[in-house]
Amino acid sequence: EAGVTQFPSHSVIEKGQTVTLRCDPISGHDNLYWYRRVMGKEIKFLLHFVKESKQDESGMPNNRFLAERTGGTYSTLKVQPAELEDSGVYFCASSQASGFSYEQYFGPGTRLTVT
Amino acid sequence: AQSVAQPEDQVNVAEGNPLTVKCTYSVSGNPYLFWYVQYPNRGLQFLLKYITGDNLVKGSYGFEAEFNKSQTSFHLKKPSALVSDSALYFCAVRTAGGSYIPTFGRGTSLIVHP
Repeated sequence: EAGVTQFPSHSVIEKGQTVTLRCDPISGHDNLYWYRRVMGKEIKFLLHFVKESKQDESGMPNNRFLAERTGGTYSTLKVQPAELEDSGVYFCASSQASGFSYEQYFGPGTRLTVT
Repeated sequence: AQSVAQPEDQVNVAEGNPLTVKCTYSVSGNPYLFWYVQYPNRGLQFLLKYITGDNLVKGSYGFEAEFNKSQTSFHLKKPSALVSDSALYFCAVRTAGGSYIPTFGRGTSLIVHP
């Protein structure tokens, strides 16, 4: 069974540019989560999809970030325009359901560097 | 609000020696505690969790962790470190009956020297 995949693995962009990150969850997982880790700090929750609906987007830092999950399959996270403080590793995770007994499976992350 | 502290950015240990990666937490109710590991260029992998019951929890790759309620700690341990254990380790906490979204610590880089 394929795990959670993320693309690209690394992106370097200039301040003011736009970047789109993609996450493909494990097949059949309705729940999809985005997290971010700024260098040396905690992994922080960004948002949670259940199928194509946003269940919780309380962690989204500001309106420069837009997440979508059209069709309830893969998800994209767009940053527009990117700022220096957006640099970090963006993790995606998926789970069958959101209850405690359902483990979240994480992808390898996308390392975003904004210069 | 819940929080997790991993006081060491880096832990160095010689291969074959025991290792400990420290984690303390703060929650308002009963904690659910987790350890994850991230190997280079890989995603976060679940290692072990504490829900209830025995304070000593055994997980993958020979790791174990001890829940200490009085010290609000959940340190990760292994009796004999391997070079292949070198990775980034994250402690996380959820509150029983609370949000299903875990709160993570800053991570500790474990370096095992041959």
